Amino acid sequence: NAGVTQTPKFQVLKTGQSMTLQCAQDMNHEYMSWYRQDPGMGLRLIHYSVGAGITDQGEVPNGYNVSRSTTEDFPLRLLSAAPSQTSVYFCASRGGAGEKLFFGSGTQLSVL
Amino acid sequence: GIQVEQSPPDLILQEGANSTLRCNFSDSVNNLQWFHQNPWGQLINLFYIPSGTKQNGRLSATTVATERYSLLYISSSQTTDSGVYFCAVGRGAQKLVFGQGTRLTINP
Repeated sequence: NAGVTQTPKFQVLKTGQSMTLQCAQDMNHEYMSWYRQDPGMGLRLIHYSVGAGITDQGEVPNGYNVSRSTTEDFPLRLLSAAPSQTSVYFCASRGGAGEKLFFGSGTQLSVL
Repeated sequence: GIQVEQSPPDLILQEGANSTLRCNFSDSVNNLQWFHQNPWGQLINLFYIPSGTKQNGRLSATTVATERYSLLYISSSQTTDSGVYFCAVGRGAQKLVFGQGTRLTINP
């Protein structure tokens, strides 16, 4: 099993550009989420989903959109990139409320 | 929302030493997990431990849910234990909230 797969690993954008960070898991997990990690800070939740067709906002949702059309995929869209969105982004998934959370390898995003 | 506080923020030890990391949380939870982020940025789940004690090799964790804290013990530290340790808490199917982490440096 591949686990949680994120692409790309690195990305550089110009201010105002849009892009989609891809996340896929092959563990049939219902719960998926996106976090961002900034230097010296913990992980902050952007958006999460408890199943296909269901999404909700986390702590820092502004500037990001998500959708969950399948159990496997949970893409994160940056609508109009800003320098404040320079960060490392992690996708994570778990099978249910009482199960371990597994992370992808991260995407390092720089917005110039 | 739930507040999570980890201590100490930084810890520097010699190889072979033991360490205790603490996670305090502000409200009742039924989901608590510990993670290790290695120097390459990879996040590894160490324990799912909403209550009680678990052990995995040199690592063990104890959560006292009624007193709202959890402890992560690392015995006989190795340089590969270096990195940042995070705890994350939540209730039911709701989102997990992460602490700020403890940065552990193990010197040879």
